[in-house]
Amino acid sequence: NAGVTQTPKFRILKIGQSMTLQCTQDMNHNYMYWYRQDPGMGLKLIYYSVGAGITDKGEVPNGYNVSRSTTEDFPLRLELAAPSQTSVYFCASSYRTGLHSGNTIYFGEGSWLTVV
Amino acid sequence: DQQVKQNSPSLSVQEGRISILNCDYTNSMFDYFLWYKKYPAEGPTFLISISSIKDKNEDGRFTVFLNKSAKHLSLHIVPSQPGDSAVYFCAAIAGANSKLTFGKGITLSVRP
Repeated sequence: NAGVTQTPKFRILKIGQSMTLQCTQDMNHNYMYWYRQDPGMGLKLIYYSVGAGITDKGEVPNGYNVSRSTTEDFPLRLELAAPSQTSVYFCASSYRTGLHSGNTIYFGEGSWLTVV
Repeated sequence: DQQVKQNSPSLSVQEGRISILNCDYTNSMFDYFLWYKKYPAEGPTFLISISSIKDKNEDGRFTVFLNKSAKHLSLHIVPSQPGDSAVYFCAAIAGANSKLTFGKGITLSVRP
């Protein structure tokens, strides 16, 4: 099972460049998320989506954009890369939020982005 | 403001001994707590969770304890194995539709 797949795994960007991190999931999950993890820090939510055509901001949305045209795909766009966006990015998906049912979020393997 | 705190950045334990990973929280609205395990170059994976209506949940070698009055939870791993060496994130949820709030993580090293 593929689960959550994100690409690229590694990327070096120059300041001011733009790029898109791709994320796709094959579990038919409604909810998808983008997190970033800075060194020595926990995961911070950038954007999330509760279903196709619906997106919303998380804790740290500035400098990013997302779209959700299909249930499977949730790309993250960096328009003008800045050194502060150097981080590890994780895409994730879940059947629902509110994990009282014991459901879990599934994470991709991460994308290492360096802005120089 | 860090709502989920993992104040110890690292822990080193001998194989076969108990590992105790601590987590504190400040938001009294949190009602569901989870632990995630993360190996290098991989995404976090779910380990164990606990609802605020319980004070203990056990799954094999892993037990999570919740002390609501102290706003504290801990993950016990007994016995610890070298394969348990990883970063462990504590996370919390406030309500049915809220999102996960993560702590900074603790790096556990289990020495053979």
